[in-house]
Amino acid sequence: AQTVTQSQPEMSVQEAETVTLSCTYDTSESDYYLFWYKQPPSRQMILVIRQEAYKQQNATENRFSVNFQKAAKSFSLKISDSQLGDAAMYFCAYSGTYKYIFGTGTRLKVLA
Amino acid sequence: KAGVTQTPRYLIKTRGQQVTLSCSPISGHRSVSWYQQTPGQGLQFLFEYFSETQRNKGNFPGRFSGRQFSNSRSEMNVSTLELGDSALYLCASSLDAAGGQNEQFFGPGTRLTVL
Repeated sequence: AQTVTQSQPEMSVQEAETVTLSCTYDTSESDYYLFWYKQPPSRQMILVIRQEAYKQQNATENRFSVNFQKAAKSFSLKISDSQLGDAAMYFCAYSGTYKYIFGTGTRLKVLA
Repeated sequence: KAGVTQTPRYLIKTRGQQVTLSCSPISGHRSVSWYQQTPGQGLQFLFEYFSETQRNKGNFPGRFSGRQFSNSRSEMNVSTLELGDSALYLCASSLDAAGGQNEQFFGPGTRLTVL
């Protein structure tokens, strides 16, 4: 069975600094997708970035980028130039055949 | 396009009661998934409905059930409520069946409190 692990329940970052959120997963599937979702306080969850497993190039969306290490089954999210609006719960998600599996989340605090 | 909507947004029930939550997906989306979110547990998958059929089910007791209508709207029912059922219940829709490249679009959730 597939699993997703986020080992950092909470992280803090100074405004304008860079922070990396960790995610590891386990699967025997060869074709899958990985996502990072953001859940701001009292607001709806939204997609931040997605990575296709068969693509070696790391995905990037503006200040958000991933470090995808397929062999190590690691999928970390890097947030550059952190802003107050980045404060949220971040969930790593695995999407394989017919299923979506989420990690337990990392709460990111941004300090002014 | 309107986003995913969930009603009601807040519910307070007592133990032993039953509750029905509703989810309206984005127009054109055929898959609706339900999740239970609690602090420290993340999102626990309840079930997914696709074209009115339950396609996948998580490890929850039979007190949790759901259904999907022909217009893709979905309802989730919890019978004989327990204190541990207090949680944020999230609904997510996707264009096609959950899995693969299909992004899930989430509703605002229903906050259920069981007293």
